[in-house]
Amino acid sequence: LAKTTQPISMDSYEGQEVNITCSHNNIATNDYITWYQQFPSQGPRFIIQGYKTKVTNEVASLFIPADRKSSTLSLPRVSLSDTAVYYCLVALEGGSYIPTFGRGTSLIVHP
Amino acid sequence: DAGVTQSPTHLIKTRGQHVTLRCSPISGHKSVSWYQQVLGQGPQFIFQYYEKEERGRGNFPDRFSARQFPNYSSELNVNALLLGDSALYLCASSLMRQALNTEAFFGQGTRLTVV
Repeated sequence: LAKTTQPISMDSYEGQEVNITCSHNNIATNDYITWYQQFPSQGPRFIIQGYKTKVTNEVASLFIPADRKSSTLSLPRVSLSDTAVYYCLVALEGGSYIPTFGRGTSLIVHP
Repeated sequence: DAGVTQSPTHLIKTRGQHVTLRCSPISGHKSVSWYQQVLGQGPQFIFQYYEKEERGRGNFPDRFSARQFPNYSSELNVNALLLGDSALYLCASSLMRQALNTEAFFGQGTRLTVV
């Protein structure tokens, strides 16, 4: 059973808000949810992390409902440079530290 | 400040050969993790080392091994290379052992091609 499930791809236009939802039904009680961005032939880059409710930083917001079985990454006013693959990550599996990225969401931003 | 550095950037090896990949973490970071990323998929966790000891292991065969040195740099070794080992190998460093609530910083990766 996959630890995380995300849409495979999304399309948007410059200036729009993009919301990417990740399901993590079996998240451990003490685990965090982390989102990364990856461009081709580069390593992933940290975007945002949270445990519950809402977290906001200079580039994104992360919404986590009370049951923590899903999370939504919100990118305000995307630009062409936001075209990338976005991964949500949980790290605990059966009490062991095994971070799992899943297949990610390929976001394409159109002019 | 220098980020996570990996060497070499690209490498071509023949089936059956052995390869060693190297990683230098960000200064002050004591945890290094290794990931394999096959084209079109997300990174898959191989190992985590913290304070020179293995602290986590993913589902990879014993052909994969790693170690961490006193200066916290790390090597990933792969023996008896298979065509399926062709991938981007990523190294990530972080301050804390399990990095549950800390940011992991990734290097640019080593592109390994097995022919």
